[in-house]
Amino acid sequence: EPEVTQTPSHQVTQMGQEVILRCVPISNHLYFYWYRQILGQKVEFLVSFYNNEISEKSEIFDDQFSVERPDGSNFTLKIRSTKLEDSAMYFCASRRTGTATGGAYNEQFFGPGTRLTVL
Amino acid sequence: TQLLEQSPQFLSIQEGENLTVYCNSSSVFSSLQWYRQEPGEGPVLLVTVVTGGEVKKLKRLTFQFGDARKDSSLHITAAQPGDTGLYLCAGFSGNTGKLIFGQGTTLQVKP
Repeated sequence: EPEVTQTPSHQVTQMGQEVILRCVPISNHLYFYWYRQILGQKVEFLVSFYNNEISEKSEIFDDQFSVERPDGSNFTLKIRSTKLEDSAMYFCASRRTGTATGGAYNEQFFGPGTRLTVL
Repeated sequence: TQLLEQSPQFLSIQEGENLTVYCNSSSVFSSLQWYRQEPGEGPVLLVTVVTGGEVKKLKRLTFQFGDARKDSSLHITAAQPGDTGLYLCAGFSGNTGKLIFGQGTTLQVKP
């Protein structure tokens, strides 16, 4: 069964360093998302990406964050200068195309996550 | 701002008991998804409900979407230790399809 994959599973970095989190969405999906989950808190939306551009971003997704789909399979999240408060689980998700009004097209499938620890 | 409130946040029961988890909002969602999440892993999709009043069953799990599409419930019959985990509801929001998550319900089923 197709699945979303993410690498690395765990990333430790020093404050101020740049990190790139990588995701391979399900192959026939066209909508891509990044979410994060700080330990003990709810899953929070960061950004959505469609047709090679950001379609929506949250307040969390400031100028330190960027996303890219460098080729036909990878979807990356870059944090330019990490802060202590960026420590969290980061999840990539993908959804196949369809209308926004409901149905199976709304189903998002999540990867296993990357645990980012900023020291 | 759309919010989803889940209750209870924590539930500890004995094997064989029934339980219900609630997911409530003041906003209407076009669809709502239930996920289960294990520690250190990503959410795994259980079901999507779309139509107001819809009921879906997945073995011993029954999911219901409220008539007004503002609330949902998850009912587990005869809970088993293997049902232990974090259950999340998430509402489909806006044209971009971002998900708004509830804070989750941690279920512990004791043998």
